[in-house]
Amino acid sequence: GENVEQHPSTLSVQEGDSAVIKCTYSDSASNYFPWYKQELGKRPQLIIDIRSNVGEKKDQRIAVTLNKTAKHFSLHITETQPEDSAVYFCAASREYSSASKIIFGSGTRLSIRP
Amino acid sequence: DAEITQSPRHKITETGRQVTLACHQTWNHNNMFWYRQDLGHGLRLIHYSYGVHDTNKGEVSDGYSVSRSNTEDLPLTLESAASSQTSVYFCASSPRGYNEQFFGPGTRLTVL
Repeated sequence: GENVEQHPSTLSVQEGDSAVIKCTYSDSASNYFPWYKQELGKRPQLIIDIRSNVGEKKDQRIAVTLNKTAKHFSLHITETQPEDSAVYFCAASREYSSASKIIFGSGTRLSIRP
Repeated sequence: DAEITQSPRHKITETGRQVTLACHQTWNHNNMFWYRQDLGHGLRLIHYSYGVHDTNKGEVSDGYSVSRSNTEDLPLTLESAASSQTSVYFCASSPRGYNEQFFGPGTRLTVL
């Protein structure tokens, strides 16, 4: 079945440095790739997404890249700040189809060291 | 404001009891989902629905059931609670054909 692999499972970076989280997916028909951030004790919330018609998308300090040929996508956070500490989930799905479920990766716990 | 709510937020029950977790959304979204979240497993899909009277099994559906009698609600029932079902449960919804999911605040369930 469909699968999304996410690495690393934990990541610790110095404040101000960059963080990169990588994901691979198995369903070649996937065309929508969201990233969710979950702070401790809170619900997951969408922070950025990318669709298969683009290779990169940026929103302030956050960027996502997508390589459809290799079936992998990545989240890049630059100039990390303490409030970036959270668990991040990647996901993949087929948008605009009748099968709208999302397959999530297992999550990356990001810690920002002061 | 439109929103998605879950109740109760915390629940402690005993093994063998039937438990129902409520999920209610006011966005008029067609799609609704139930996930469980355990350490090291991320978000695992339990059941989902694409509309009234439609329900589908996810990857971890054993021991759970759902029914969709209206657009706003998708209650999750544990027929006979087991200790392995101790978890945090999240409900989510999305509009028809679009995959951005909006999550509820979660229910922490403990089965003793």
